[in-house]
Order: sequence, then C-alpha cells, then structure tokens
Amino acid sequence: GEDVEQSLFLSVREGDSSVINCTYTDSSSTYLYWYKQEPGAGLQLLTYIFSNMDMKQDQRLTVLLNKKDKHLSLRIADTQTGDSAIYFCAEIKGSQGNLIFGKGTKLSVKP
Amino acid sequence: DTAVSQTPKYLVTQMGNDKSIKCEQNLGHDTMYWYKQDSKKFLKIMFSYNNKELIINETVPNRFSPKSPDKAHLNLHINSLELGDSAVYFCASSQYGRTSGTDEQYFGPGTRLTVT
Repeated sequence: GEDVEQSLFLSVREGDSSVINCTYTDSSSTYLYWYKQEPGAGLQLLTYIFSNMDMKQDQRLTVLLNKKDKHLSLRIADTQTGDSAIYFCAEIKGSQGNLIFGKGTKLSVKP
Repeated sequence: DTAVSQTPKYLVTQMGNDKSIKCEQNLGHDTMYWYKQDSKKFLKIMFSYNNKELIINETVPNRFSPKSPDKAHLNLHINSLELGDSAVYFCASSQYGRTSGTDEQYFGPGTRLTVT
C-alpha cells in the first residue's frame, strides 16, 4: 500500500497491556518510529527500532518488527491513564529521508 | 526552557488573508521542519530547511512559503488563505536533517489555524 496503516482506536482498562499495530510501506526503511501525541500537544518520540532488529524493549514499551510483513507493533505493559494519547507509527521513506506518519491510533485507558 | 516553540497557538482568520506562523528552536539544531496535521489527524511533512537551504519541498501550494531568517527560526507564511488550509501546523527540528534513529525530531506544540 501507499500509506502507513494503523487502526484508529484502541480502548483498554488500566493495568492491561495495550498493543498498537502498524503496517508500513517501504521495505528499505532503515528506522521505524513510534511517536506519542497527548491532547493539545506536539509529538514526542517514544521509541524507534532499527530495521535489522526484531524487538526492542524500553521499560514498559516493547516494539516488535516483522520485516517480511512490514508490520510494526508497540506494546505498552501495565497501561496507565496517563498513556491515553494518539500514537503514530512513522517510517523513513525516499532519498530525502522524509518521515512518513500513519494516521495515528487513539488509545483510551479506562480506570 | 521550551525546546521548540511556535506562535501563535491559535489563529482564526478569514479566507483570502495572509498570515504567518513563527517557529523557534533553542536546541542548536541544523534542520527545521513544518508539518500539517489535518482534521483526521493525518500528519504530512511540508518543508524542511537545513542551513537556510530548502531540502524538502513536498507538493504544497506555492501560497505556502517557509522563511528562515537564521538557523534557529523557520517561519511559515501563507498567502490567500483557503478553507482547506484549516489544520494544525507543527514545527520540528533535528540535529542533522537526515532522519536516522539517533537524529530525533523534536516537535513544537502546534498552531491551530482556522480559516472562516
């Protein structure tokens, strides 16, 4: 496909794990990113993974990369209400290194 | 100590007007960017500037012009505003300009532009 695809909404209960999925487009993308956007705020880089890695863990965050399927996922363990935000998957594309974003997944955490 | 700042935060204006959005970064970065986020939250790069040189120019109307008086500033000027220009515009900066895992882009808080 031409676009980075993500499901638009995810709702979980506090304390559960959240898994946000993404399908990217360019198999030659060297880095893939997860950004977080809290309401009314700019984007904050959460984590990134280099394309020669399958998994990266950073505290409560686990990123899984399946290069064959061009599938990226972000797992948030022990999800908290403060994790409620929109999460954007992004890839580098093209010779200029453009950062191409998915449409974002809105994560709602219920107490 | 705001790393990337934008002004104004909100901008409401009428069709046909000309407006500017300002962006400043105090990180000493070499490259600055402008992104447009539409009502469906879709985020798309518009421009980037590296050492006062435009290095990315996506297919945006020429009514949009980035202006960089110095390395710390990249302003976005929009002529003859249209309804479809309503969006949130984000400024960002990075150290080197060619995105890699270690060349993080830092985003400003955004400017919500509403054209009536």
